[in-house]
Amino acid sequence: SAVISQKPSRDICQRGTSLTIQCQVDSQVTMMFWYRQQPGQSLTLIATANQGSEATYESGFVIDKFPISRPNLTFSTLTVSNMSPEDSSIYLCSAGQGSDSNQPQHFGDGTRLSIL
Amino acid sequence: QKEVEQNSGPLSVPEGAIASLNCTYSDRGSQSFFWYRQYSGKSPELIMFIYSNGDKEDGRFTAQLNKASQYVSLLIRDSQPSDSATYLCAVRSTDSWGKLQFGAGTQVVVTP
Repeated sequence: SAVISQKPSRDICQRGTSLTIQCQVDSQVTMMFWYRQQPGQSLTLIATANQGSEATYESGFVIDKFPISRPNLTFSTLTVSNMSPEDSSIYLCSAGQGSDSNQPQHFGDGTRLSIL
Repeated sequence: QKEVEQNSGPLSVPEGAIASLNCTYSDRGSQSFFWYRQYSGKSPELIMFIYSNGDKEDGRFTAQLNKASQYVSLLIRDSQPSDSATYLCAVRSTDSWGKLQFGAGTQVVVTP
C-alpha cells in the first residue's frame, strides 16, 4: 500500500493567516483526497485532487478558502486560507494505489491545526 | 443525500468476546466497502475491505456484506484491549473519482 507523508504534523496559527499542508506519496497515484475531521466528528471530504486538472470540491468547500495544488503524481498541497477558530481540525490526505480508483485508500498521519 | 449510518456507541466488549459492528448505507449502487480503525489522536488505518456479498476473513476480523439489505458489518473475534478504538465504515461513492463517504464511527471499548 502507498505510504503517505504529511507535514506539518501540527500547527498553531493566528486567525486571518493561511497555512499550506503538504502531502507526499511514495508512489505515483492518479487521485489524492483531502479530508477534514473536526473534534469528535467523522471525516468529511473537502476535495479530490487529480493531477493535471483543477480539484473537485465538495458541497460547502470552495477554492478560495481551500486552494489545492497537484503538480505531479506523488504530491499535493492544501492551503487553509484566512483561518478562523472554526477551521481548527485535523486535515487528512489520502490516496489509493496507482491509477485504479477502486483500490482502498490509505491516509497520512494528518495535520492537527489549532487557530487562536 | 447519500448516507452511511453507524451506531456511535460506545460498544463495551469483554476481553476475549466478539465485537459486532454494523453499518448501513443508502446508495444502492455502491460496490466497495471499507472498515477503518482510528485510535484517539491518530489517523484512520484500513483494516478490511469487501466488494462481494458474503464474508471475508482476515485474522481476527471478518467483514460481512449484504448488498440487497444495504448492510455491512465487522466482527472482531477474541477482542483485546488494543482493539479499543473508533471503527469507521466507509462506502465508495458511485460518483466519479472513487471518493469515500464515511459513517460517524462506532467507539469500541474492550474491558479486561
